[in-house]
Amino acid sequence: SAVISQKPSRDICQRGTSLTIQCQVDSQVTMMFWYRQQPGQSLTLIATANQGSEATYESGFVIDKFPISRPNLTFSTLTVSNMSPEDSSIYLCSVEDRVGYTIYFGEGSWLTVV
Amino acid sequence: AQSVAQPEDQVNVAEGNPLTVKCTYSVSGNPYLFWYVQYPNRGLQFLLKYITGDNLVKGSYGFEAEFNKSQTSFHLKKPSALVSDSALYFCAVRWNSGNTPLVFGKGTRLSVIA
Repeated sequence: SAVISQKPSRDICQRGTSLTIQCQVDSQVTMMFWYRQQPGQSLTLIATANQGSEATYESGFVIDKFPISRPNLTFSTLTVSNMSPEDSSIYLCSVEDRVGYTIYFGEGSWLTVV
Repeated sequence: AQSVAQPEDQVNVAEGNPLTVKCTYSVSGNPYLFWYVQYPNRGLQFLLKYITGDNLVKGSYGFEAEFNKSQTSFHLKKPSALVSDSALYFCAVRWNSGNTPLVFGKGTRLSVIA
């Protein structure tokens, strides 16, 4: 299975600021998926990130608010821009195991906006 | 559109008793079905999956699940619950091809009582 490292693991952020979350994978992967888990809720897909192309965003998520970079096959970043308390969530990076179709998750980045 | 339903917000079971966490799905074609577990303050851990083949699949920590196409269900089971199984469980589905994201159910909180 893929080993996924996310940074930061936790942060407390000031309203109006932006934070970039990094996701590093120990193997080359085609697609990376970014999810958000709001407190007490399930996971919602933010966007799918393919190396070398623009990320594809789900309804309700826009590039200006959640810009994503995917510079190579093992790395991606998600920025949460102009944060408000409603952005307090766990943000999770995930990748697909090429062989077994399983999607694996990082430990998540736990953001609290004050 | 793909969707997953977990009809129970909470399942309580006594330690040593069998447990079942229910999941039904709606997806065109052949689904890929997954179960994940989230322990407190942790990311998602993969438990098991159904892709094809034997309808009964076995996974980590003694869990198993049965794919039932006619009932469009994929219930998670364990013959003998442990207190350490107490966690949040998510059922998820994806389209039967690679590079597609997971769609999650709302989650079921399992509480195993000693």
